[in-house]
Amino acid sequence: DTAVSQTPKYLVTQMGNDKSIKCEQNLGHDTMYWYKQDSKKFLKIMFSYNNKELIINETVPNRFSPKSPDKAHLNLHINSLELGDSAVYFCASSHTGTAQETQYFGPGTRLLVL
Amino acid sequence: GQQVMQIPQYQHVQEGEDFTTYCNSSTTLSNIQWYKQRPGGHPVFLIQLVKSGEVKKQKRLTFQFGEAKKNSSLHITATQTTDVGTYFCASGANNLFFGTGTRLTVIP
Repeated sequence: DTAVSQTPKYLVTQMGNDKSIKCEQNLGHDTMYWYKQDSKKFLKIMFSYNNKELIINETVPNRFSPKSPDKAHLNLHINSLELGDSAVYFCASSHTGTAQETQYFGPGTRLLVL
Repeated sequence: GQQVMQIPQYQHVQEGEDFTTYCNSSTTLSNIQWYKQRPGGHPVFLIQLVKSGEVKKQKRLTFQFGEAKKNSSLHITATQTTDVGTYFCASGANNLFFGTGTRLTVIP
């Protein structure tokens, strides 16, 4: 019954590795997002996808690449992980993607890069 | 992205005291949303304000949108330990941008 789910919940890895985080929503929403929350709890949008098209790409390194096989899934692939990538990554979704809609967040993936 | 400043960054209160967090913008906001994130949890939508001067209440929580639609506040009356967490305001024209958050600690 989980509306927005993410895997894995925890991810510990070495610097330089490549990793992926998966997200799925069963709400029938058209838009999905990836947010990064740092240790100070600042929540910053990284990407959003609407009907499989990237509509936001904030100033994130190109080591981060979102991939959406269908509108219910938005995965985040990270190449050459760096220490500064350690954070909590949240997936979210909303109905059509306007700023007037509620966003529904997943439980988060806690990434630690050693 | 649209800048929404939130203060204070941290607030510690004794249980039973009131708490207020403020969001301010230099530009007029089309709307403002409030989210709560419990420790170890994820942001959860609380409410949305759209109209100038709008006031909405949810039990002990009162949300206000300024007359000029450039600021908003969340006030909690008689805090309880269940109120602990980080409160975010969020706004945007086309996309939603989150404020810096206020982390509330309630001391029993």
